[in-house]
Amino acid sequence: DTAVSQTPKYLVTQMGNDKSIKCEQNLGHDTMYWYKQDSKKFLKIMFSYNNKELIINETVPNRFSPKSPDKAHLNLHINSLELGDSAVYFCASSPTLQQGRYTFGSGTRLTVV
Amino acid sequence: LAKTTQPISMDSYEGQEVNITCSHNNIATNDYITWYQQFPSQGPRFIIQGYKTKVTNEVASLFIPADRKSSTLSLPRVSLSDTAVYYCLVGETGTASKLTFGTGTRLQVTL
Repeated sequence: DTAVSQTPKYLVTQMGNDKSIKCEQNLGHDTMYWYKQDSKKFLKIMFSYNNKELIINETVPNRFSPKSPDKAHLNLHINSLELGDSAVYFCASSPTLQQGRYTFGSGTRLTVV
Repeated sequence: LAKTTQPISMDSYEGQEVNITCSHNNIATNDYITWYQQFPSQGPRFIIQGYKTKVTNEVASLFIPADRKSSTLSLPRVSLSDTAVYYCLVGETGTASKLTFGTGTRLQVTL
């Protein structure tokens, strides 16, 4: 069983489109995250949810909107996609807000053309 | 958040011990040190975490000196499959914490 699963694995879309990435964890963790890894391989946190409540919201354009219907799911919706949004997006979870022990998904490679 | 500095890349032969050092001069009292491994096209994977002295698990050892301004990840007898990027993270315990991944160290293991 995959602990943290993301769909889709690859996403190619045109500028201006709206797309969503889904994430589910079956670990029973309370906290989930979205990270963005750019072409230079820097991993930056975007959002964090704890028990469906938004905890961390980094400086991310408001075109990005996370949604957590329950604590096992954290989806990322992106409006009006731009070329600069091309990156790999990773979902992760941790048992609680305790830092450090994250379980990451395998990533979604988003390419905006 | 404490900033970390790691070597950009390291090379090793299979079977050797590899030590990757991370500097974190402004580490705070409540900060833990965590290391992750990332293979191409995969998400980072937790390796080891420590606060002080030495921590060992089945994969690696983590050495932290008394001043905690640096830490060393030790990988015993590396194999080709250990070729990956290794990230050192330093962050607070407690609520609403977040971790910042640095540039990481790209380890290349060859025969």
